[in-house]
Amino acid sequence: AQKITQTQPGMFVQEKEAVTLDCTYDTSDPSYGLFWYKQPSSGEMIFLIYQGSYDQQNATEGRYSLNFQKARKSANLVISASQLGDSAMYFCAMRETDYKLSFGAGTTVTVRA
Amino acid sequence: DAGITQSPRHKVTETGTPVTLRCHQTENHRYMYWYRQDPGHGLRLIHYSYGVKDTDKGEVSDGYSVSRSKTEDFLLTLESATSSQTSVYFCAISRAGSSTDTQYFGPGTRLTVL
Repeated sequence: AQKITQTQPGMFVQEKEAVTLDCTYDTSDPSYGLFWYKQPSSGEMIFLIYQGSYDQQNATEGRYSLNFQKARKSANLVISASQLGDSAMYFCAMRETDYKLSFGAGTTVTVRA
Repeated sequence: DAGITQSPRHKVTETGTPVTLRCHQTENHRYMYWYRQDPGHGLRLIHYSYGVKDTDKGEVSDGYSVSRSKTEDFLLTLESATSSQTSVYFCAISRAGSSTDTQYFGPGTRLTVL
């Protein structure tokens, strides 16, 4: 069964606007971590933000925030004030009690000037 | 910059030849991982290591072996490369093995098997 689902293959956003990237997950472990990574066209994987299953508050890192809805098993990434440099592929990932990260298929974001 | 390098960065090889990819870290982290990235699949774990000489299989380990004789180096070997192993390979490191620990990735190796 798919552990991480990203339903938006591609999105367009106007510069300076906010964009929300959807991520739903499936786990029966009480302890897990949720991560978002950015992959620009140059190919590297850049860590953006982390949310723990026991965290009471939504995580924020600069212009990135994670909208964590535990009951709905949802961990959406919000990018505020989009910049041209935000154009990239974005991956949601989950880590349970084993070692590996389970990744979604990714969402491509294109920021328009 | 998490202090991870991968070599080579690009490689083209022929079916049936052995290939070794190297991951080197300068952070002295205990945990190292090899993933492959294919369109529509995100990244999938091949093998991981939780210490020198301590390795285990991931979800797509068939056709791959690994070795870790030093903390800083984690080698991925394709004993006899096949076209289905054409992919981008990423190494990752983390300090711990818990669900709260972030994995940081190397720059990737693009492998083409003809």
